[in-house]
Amino acid sequence: QKEVEQDPGPLSVPEGAIVSLNCTYSNSAFQYFMWYRQYSRKGPELLMYTYSSGNKEDGRFTAQVDKSSKYISLFIRDSQPSDSATYLCAMRSSNFGNEKLTFGTGTRLTIIP
Amino acid sequence: EAGVTQFPSHSVIEKGQTVTLRCDPISGHDNLYWYRRVMGKEIKFLLHFVKESKQDESGMPNNRFLAERTGGTYSTLKVQPAELEDSGVYFCASSHWDRTYEQYFGPGTRLTVT
Repeated sequence: QKEVEQDPGPLSVPEGAIVSLNCTYSNSAFQYFMWYRQYSRKGPELLMYTYSSGNKEDGRFTAQVDKSSKYISLFIRDSQPSDSATYLCAMRSSNFGNEKLTFGTGTRLTIIP
Repeated sequence: EAGVTQFPSHSVIEKGQTVTLRCDPISGHDNLYWYRRVMGKEIKFLLHFVKESKQDESGMPNNRFLAERTGGTYSTLKVQPAELEDSGVYFCASSHWDRTYEQYFGPGTRLTVT
């Protein structure tokens, strides 16, 4: 069983819709949670990171963490064609010296104009 | 501020040959990480440098892979001899010493072993 599960999609939604992307995890040691966006043939770009359970908002993006259910989400409001990319969840423990990120497989998102 | 850079962007080599990948982290970032994505799989951790020291190399697949970071600046990842299963995209990331949860990735090197 993978430590991080992410629906690979693809996911297509019309412009302006709210997008929900999700990951589940099994390792209770994971305490930091990140979302990366990756355009084709580019490197992953850090969008947001969270530590606590609850919501964190940054512009049109909201990251949600539920540690009790081992479930994280990224919501994109008022989606734009420029949001079309692969979205990767990543997570790591809080242990000093153990900084490796464990990634989901990524969800390919297309916003249809 | 310049981002993480990697060279080359793409490398095609034959099985049994040697390839060296280079990563230049963001200036001032003590932490440097190597990751790899093979076809159809998730990005996986290879190793982590703190300055010139290897902090964690638990993800290195075997002794055909050698990473160095002399002087604590740029890093190289050598694959010798390359095998077909080494094909994939190799990413480098870096972070500041007190913000290790913010790892910034380079564009990657696409390695094809034929």
